[in-house]
Parts: sequence; structure tokens; C-alpha cells
Amino acid sequence: ELKVEQNPLFLSMQEGKNYTIYCNYSTTSDRLYWYRQDPGKSLESLFVLLSNGAVKQEGRLMASLDTKARLSTLHITAAVHDLSATYFCAEGGSGNTGKLIFGQGTTLQVKP
Amino acid sequence: AAGVIQSPRHLIKEKRETATLKCYPIPRHDTVYWYQQGPGQDPQFLISFYEKMQSDKGSIPDRFSAQQFSDYHSELNMSSLELGDSALYFCASSFTEYNSPLHFGNGTRLTVT
Repeated sequence: ELKVEQNPLFLSMQEGKNYTIYCNYSTTSDRLYWYRQDPGKSLESLFVLLSNGAVKQEGRLMASLDTKARLSTLHITAAVHDLSATYFCAEGGSGNTGKLIFGQGTTLQVKP
Repeated sequence: AAGVIQSPRHLIKEKRETATLKCYPIPRHDTVYWYQQGPGQDPQFLISFYEKMQSDKGSIPDRFSAQQFSDYHSELNMSSLELGDSALYFCASSFTEYNSPLHFGNGTRLTVT
């Protein structure tokens, strides 16, 4: 059974601080995605990571992928209140149907 | 840019009733996915269609069915509704290009009373 596990599930931090969200997955997939979701809203695609060692950055967020360790990280630099949301990693799994298997989500709360 | 359109946005039904959710994918996207997200939960894959044919199936109850039509819109039909069916239902679409991310609609919030 495909499993995607995130850590931590809840994160409360002060503005200006740095932190990392971890995502472990169970298969030999080489496709890892990060999404953001605001409460009651849609899922917004943040990053697509396709190969071992891939690193992508957008603003204060940076995502990386280590396929050997089956680990992806989402690093937050100098957090601001606007980053408060739930962040999901999702694995593409084997095969080519395109479906994604999501982790439990990490709810980030950035306090002013 | 065009996005995935879902309707209705909110739906309230009683137990044992039937509900139909609609999804209009991004133009030229050839794959549609349905996900169910319970309160505080991660999205759970239900079913997908590629070029109007079912391509994958997840944890979709037998009471649910879905199809994709000739104009590429998709419908999720839910019968004999139960309280536990209350959730956000998302439709997403993508290209079959292997690494294409899924683009999600705004979801339909279904409340079963």
C-alpha cells in the first residue's frame, strides 16, 4: 500500500523563523509534488520534483527530493504570516495514471 | 488562465438522497480525477478518466459512480447518501504528460443531514 507520511502535522512558528517540513514516501516513485491549501479552499500546486537531488525554490519556500532516502523536504525561510496554510506532499506513485497519493498535511501557523 | 470549474459549490442533501457533482476540466486536459477530502483529512483519490475512459480507481464506494462525457466534462453521482459522505469533493485535471501536476477545482462541499 502506498503511504506518504509528513512530519510534523502541525507547526506553529514566529515570523522570521526558519523551519522544515518532512515528507517520507513508500515507493520507488520519482515524482513528488507539494501543494498548498487554505482552509476550505482548493489545492494550489507549489512544486513538482522529478529526479533525485531536485531542488526548487519559490520565494520563501524551497523543496528538495532525495529518491534514495524516499524523502522530500519543504524548507521555509524567514516565515511570514501569509504562509499560514496546510501544506501537502503527494507522491506520483508507479505507473502512469497520474493520480497522486497525499500525505496527511502539515498545518503551518505563522504568528506575527 | 482557465481553471477547473466545479458545480455546485455547496450542496445539502438528506440521508439516502442522491447527489450529482459536475466538473469541467481545463481545456485540452485529457485526464480528470475525483478526490474526496473529509474535515481535517488529506484528499483521497476516488476515480480518474483518461479520454473519457476510466483509467484508475481508488477507494470509491459502490454507491458512487462517475463518467466523463464527450465534451470532457465529468460527473460524480452519489446515491444512498450517508452522513459520512459529508466532505469536500475536488475535481482535478491534467495532461497525460507523465509529470504534469494536477490542477484542482474549488471543490463542492457536500453536507449530508
